[in-house]
Amino acid sequence: EAGVAQSPRYKIIEKRQSVAFWCNPISGHATLYWYQQILGQGPKLLIQFQNNGVVDDSQLPKDRFSAERLKGVDSTLKIQPAKLEDSAVYLCASSLDRAQYFGPGTRLTVL
Amino acid sequence: GENVEQHPSTLSVQEGDSAVIKCTYSDSASNYFPWYKQELGKRPQLIIDIRSNVGEKKDQRIAVTLNKTAKHFSLHITETQPEDSAVYFCAARGTGGGNKLTFGTGTQLKVEL
Repeated sequence: EAGVAQSPRYKIIEKRQSVAFWCNPISGHATLYWYQQILGQGPKLLIQFQNNGVVDDSQLPKDRFSAERLKGVDSTLKIQPAKLEDSAVYLCASSLDRAQYFGPGTRLTVL
Repeated sequence: GENVEQHPSTLSVQEGDSAVIKCTYSDSASNYFPWYKQELGKRPQLIIDIRSNVGEKKDQRIAVTLNKTAKHFSLHITETQPEDSAVYFCAARGTGGGNKLTFGTGTQLKVEL
């Protein structure tokens, strides 16, 4: 079974620029999550989708972050404009039931 | 919301010894507690999980115990090996909103030869 796929793996941008990340979950997994992991910390949930609907986006900085999962499969997370403090690894995860499986992440560096 | 505390932040053991990592949670209604292992630069990998209706679960050298009354759960690794060296995260699934996972701050485990 293929795992969660993410791209790109690395991205370097300057502050105030925009960036987008892509995630393809494990086939059949209805729930998709985007997490932000700052160096030395545990993952923090940004947004959770159930199929193509948002279940929880309470910790998503909506003034600059947006996410969508239009067809209930792939998802994109966008940051516009980026700030220095957005430097982190952005992890996508998916689940069928309780267990969540993570993708390799996108390491974002904002200069 | 849920708050998860994890201790210790770093743990160094000799190969063959046991390692124990402890977590506490705040939401008494939390019902699912996974543990993840994250090697440097890699994805978090689910290594074991436990549901709130079970007190202990074991998988080879790894075990997790849950004390619902005290709201704490622990990861036990026996006969540690160098490849066990990694950062370990505990998490708890609350009952509000989308039943999201809240992660602990991680434990850097180093197994020395």
